[in-house]
Amino acid sequence: GQQVMQIPQYQHVQEGEDFTTYCNSSTTLSNIQWYKQRPGGHPVFLIQLVKSGEVKKQKRLTFQFGEAKKNSSLHITATQTTDVGTYFCKGDSWGKLQFGAGTQVVVTP
Amino acid sequence: NAGVTQTPKFRVLKTGQSMTLLCAQDMNHEYMYWYRQDPGMGLRLIHYSVGEGTTAKGEVPDGYNVSRLKKQNFLLGLESAAPSQTSVYFCASTPPGFGDTQYFGPGTRLTVL
Repeated sequence: GQQVMQIPQYQHVQEGEDFTTYCNSSTTLSNIQWYKQRPGGHPVFLIQLVKSGEVKKQKRLTFQFGEAKKNSSLHITATQTTDVGTYFCKGDSWGKLQFGAGTQVVVTP
Repeated sequence: NAGVTQTPKFRVLKTGQSMTLLCAQDMNHEYMYWYRQDPGMGLRLIHYSVGEGTTAKGEVPDGYNVSRLKKQNFLLGLESAAPSQTSVYFCASTPPGFGDTQYFGPGTRLTVL
């Protein structure tokens, strides 16, 4: 069946540094979404990618969808303490959807 | 516009007890979902509904039942709670289509002793 894997599971980052988290699917996806969950909170939608090779930016966040539509990445530049939380990808394989296990991000001032 | 609401926020059950979690949305969304979230395992889909009167099994449906009698409400029932069902439960909704943005409720933290 469809599997969506996220790496790394944990990411410790110094404030001001950059980091990247990756999402890989065993099957081709129709689209992929990214969500952020603050500690103690609920997942909140960040972005959706649909096209092969698509790149979208939101301020310091850059999202990419792979050419084969089987992987995606989230890159954060100049990390701030407000970036703390868990970032999830959700893959949609034409009606079959699955969340990755998430990347938990801890920011050290 | 309250979005997606869940009741209760917290609950402690003893093994074998039953309870119902209520999810309500005021966005006129067709699709609604119930997830459970456990440490290190992300969000796993329990059941979902594509419209009033219809429900379907997700990834981990065993031990749970659901009902969607009204479009705005999606109920999750535990008939005989087990310690393995200790988790945080999230409800979500979308306009028609699994590919659309999911709007999540604040969650219910359930502990089964």
